[in-house]
Amino acid sequence: QTVVTQEPSFSVSPGGTVTLTCDLSSGSVSTGYYPSWYQQTPGQAPRTLIYSTNIRSSGVPDRFSGSILGNKAALTITGAQADDEADYYCVLYMGGGTYVFGTGTKVTVL
Amino acid sequence: QVTLKESGPALVKPTQTLTLTCTFSGFSLSTTGVRVGWIRQPPGKALEWLARIDWDDDKFYSTSLQTRLTISKDTSKNQVVLTMTNMDSVDTATYYCARIRESGAATWFDPWGQGTLVTVSS
Repeated sequence: QTVVTQEPSFSVSPGGTVTLTCDLSSGSVSTGYYPSWYQQTPGQAPRTLIYSTNIRSSGVPDRFSGSILGNKAALTITGAQADDEADYYCVLYMGGGTYVFGTGTKVTVL
Repeated sequence: QVTLKESGPALVKPTQTLTLTCTFSGFSLSTTGVRVGWIRQPPGKALEWLARIDWDDDKFYSTSLQTRLTISKDTSKNQVVLTMTNMDSVDTATYYCARIRESGAATWFDPWGQGTLVTVSS
């Protein structure tokens, strides 16, 4: 079974930079998996941040950026703010109409 | 404005079949390229993709759950229905529906409904 692994947690200082990654158990993540990233705050539905590796969704601040780093998808927050404290999930498109969500990363800003 | 809202029972008993409805507005599932998906999240745990239905009635399921899931659409009512058979306590979760957008070959979930919590208990 395919597993997509993310770091369980990260702590970042206000104004700092943090990079979250999205790792595929069966091999390297490439743009062909069309990685997308979502932010979820407690009690809320997820919100789209990034799609197709590095395209910011409408209204998403430019401190959020997506990329491929080595063999993983990555989400970087540059200049973290207090309201960036949330859970972050990546999703990979596995082909054949199917998707796998990552295990999620909890980001704390302090 | 695109909106989606999930509805269904808040409580189901073990072994029962769960039926959830996603009612949406702002788009039509009869339009080429339109897709809707279901995702769930057990309390305190990660999101899990369940199923997808396309405008042309193509259907796709999570490999691990495909024997228990059925997704369907009622275009006239702007609804997508998900059924899950043989419910168990491990299926307790918030269930979300989301429009699946596309740009070229890329697809992603946006926007999401508010979710509906389903508890499985006798």
